[in-house]
Amino acid sequence: EVQLVESGGVVVQPGGSLRLSCAASGFTFDDYAMHWVRQAPGKGLEWVSLISWDGGSTYYADSVKGRFTISRDNSKNSLYLQMNSLRAEDTALYYCAKDMTYYYGSGSSMPDYWGQGTLVTVSS
Amino acid sequence: DIVMTQTPLSLSVTPGQPASISCKSSQSLLHSDGKTYLYWYLQKPGQSPQLLIYEVSNRFSGVPDRFSGSGSGTDFTLKISRVEAEDVGVYYCMQSIQLWTFGQGTKVEIK
Repeated sequence: EVQLVESGGVVVQPGGSLRLSCAASGFTFDDYAMHWVRQAPGKGLEWVSLISWDGGSTYYADSVKGRFTISRDNSKNSLYLQMNSLRAEDTALYYCAKDMTYYYGSGSSMPDYWGQGTLVTVSS
Repeated sequence: DIVMTQTPLSLSVTPGQPASISCKSSQSLLHSDGKTYLYWYLQKPGQSPQLLIYEVSNRFSGVPDRFSGSGSGTDFTLKISRVEAEDVGVYYCMQSIQLWTFGQGTKVEIK
């Protein structure tokens, strides 16, 4: 059974930094690309970032480009999101999600399994 | 950027009756590999999203056959043949031909 467990969400001040983690199990982690997707309170889904199976390719939404960095450690079956220069509009539930492909461009790409999310609140 | 537009934004359905949600993309989602990169998700209350349909019309593992998807190019539809109480939640369409973009969501409730 695929399991994705996010952690690291806290209350942080504007301009602050935070690193989210996602522990994966139940599948061969280094066979798949991984996403971060967020959902502001009461709002819809917003794709944030994707990393290829080997970490060699990364993609970001314009809203986070230059501030967020996605990474992974395949030896630990873990995905990360380093978030810098946080803003109030970054307040959201952050989901980790497995993709169906191993890198973007290798076929039909979609998040197929999702974690339960970790809440990031940016507030003074 | 590709914009995904869903209609309606909310839907109230009598159990056992059909329901239909439309999703339109600002650009064609037909890829050069012949597949169309359009997907449907359901987010039940208090839960994370779950994949229902991939590549327009393929049901994901474990998805009941009352859910069906259709469409091509820029116009797509998700249909529920007979709505059940467990189908309540917010439905999202998503494209992945140009990174990933979700529609605004359609909230489905039971009358």
